[in-house]
Amino acid sequence: DSGVTQTPKHLITATGQRVTLRCSPRSGDLSVYWYQQSLDQGLQFLIQYYNGEERAKGNILERFSAQQFPDLHSELNLSSLELGDSALYFCASSVGRAGEKLFFGSGTQLSVL
Amino acid sequence: GNSVTQMEGPVTLSEEAFLTINCTYTATGYPSLFWYVQYPGEGLQLLLKATKADDKGSNKGFEATYRKETTSFHLEKGSVQVSDSAVYFCALPVYSGAGSYQLTFGKGTKLSVIP
Repeated sequence: DSGVTQTPKHLITATGQRVTLRCSPRSGDLSVYWYQQSLDQGLQFLIQYYNGEERAKGNILERFSAQQFPDLHSELNLSSLELGDSALYFCASSVGRAGEKLFFGSGTQLSVL
Repeated sequence: GNSVTQMEGPVTLSEEAFLTINCTYTATGYPSLFWYVQYPGEGLQLLLKATKADDKGSNKGFEATYRKETTSFHLEKGSVQVSDSAVYFCALPVYSGAGSYQLTFGKGTKLSVIP
């Protein structure tokens, strides 16, 4: 058990809808990272937060947004969903801003039908 | 920018066979290098790391040596077990400013070990 909790584990929705994925980092970790894993693109970095502030953006679409709350949990919001957004979304956490040793959650499997 | 390229899978081996998964990198300077492993139905977890050239990372019988001459960090294990069946990812950090780094990962190599 990595100590990172992601909910829900599975999400099935329709095109055009909006969903929210939730992540609770390991106790004491200040950084949260979101990654998208798909068969064709592999594991893609989306966004990083450190202690409530956005630190880095990767290949995140404008339809996607995230935030980190004062209790350090994070949410990833995906809107106007398309079939191609179907993927496994991982949250990871680390103690500091240098995200080398990451602790990953088990992921949220999103299926857009 | 920093990137890694690892061999495509899948790789299927018999138990006790020797494993090599190739990984080469492109980087500015000499960043730390990592191997992460993803067991079925789980998130990734750190398998081993090396922080400088000629360093050897090791864990659970797996080894990888940081070779700057060949810009490689190949993963090896002398005798694989069925429990090693997983997807293996090579990774290195990318600097994004203000002291922040994120890991960029290779595409992953799926290993299946058959009894």
